[in-house]
Amino acid sequence: GENVEQHPSTLSVQEGDSAVIKCTYSDSASNYFPWYKQELGKRPQLIIDIRSNVGEKKDQRIAVTLNKTAKHFSLHITETQPEDSAVYFCAARRTGNQFYFGTGTSLTVIP
Amino acid sequence: NAGVTQTPKFRVLKTGQSMTLLCAQDMNHEYMYWYRQDPGMGLRLIHYSVGEGTTAKGEVPDGYNVSRLKKQNFLLGLESAAPSQTSVYFCATGTGFYNEQFFGPGTRLTVL
Repeated sequence: GENVEQHPSTLSVQEGDSAVIKCTYSDSASNYFPWYKQELGKRPQLIIDIRSNVGEKKDQRIAVTLNKTAKHFSLHITETQPEDSAVYFCAARRTGNQFYFGTGTSLTVIP
Repeated sequence: NAGVTQTPKFRVLKTGQSMTLLCAQDMNHEYMYWYRQDPGMGLRLIHYSVGEGTTAKGEVPDGYNVSRLKKQNFLLGLESAAPSQTSVYFCATGTGFYNEQFFGPGTRLTVL
């Protein structure tokens, strides 16, 4: 199966600074890589995703990059705000419709 | 539209008891999934369904059974609960070519 590793497990940044979370995957057949934000006690919510035929995607303050050769993808949050504090999960989708999730990054934005 | 709903929100079981978790969706999505979320382990797939009447095993299926008799409902059963099944359970639906996932609010299950 697929194996998704996520780093770091915790991340603290000052408000206004950037945050970067990295994930690696093992199965070269994976073709879709979503990122989820989960606030305490809430459900995971999709914030951005990238498909295997694209190298970078941006949506306002968040961006995701994908390096298929190295099998890694990253989430970039710029100009962080306190409301960005949450747990972020990456995931990889293999053919066959199964998703494999990373173990999560707890992001704290310090005002 | 309610989206994806889960019943119940919380439950406490004793070891050996059985229960069924219900996931319901009104989005007409073909795919439905059951995940468990444990601290430090992310989300792990238990079982999933690619359509009414079909089910398949995920990463951690042991101790669970599922049924998808109607397109809008996906049931997760625990026949004989164990403390290791204490977790938060999330249902999700999938749509589109890449199967974008929409999660339910979760069920917190404690097995004593």
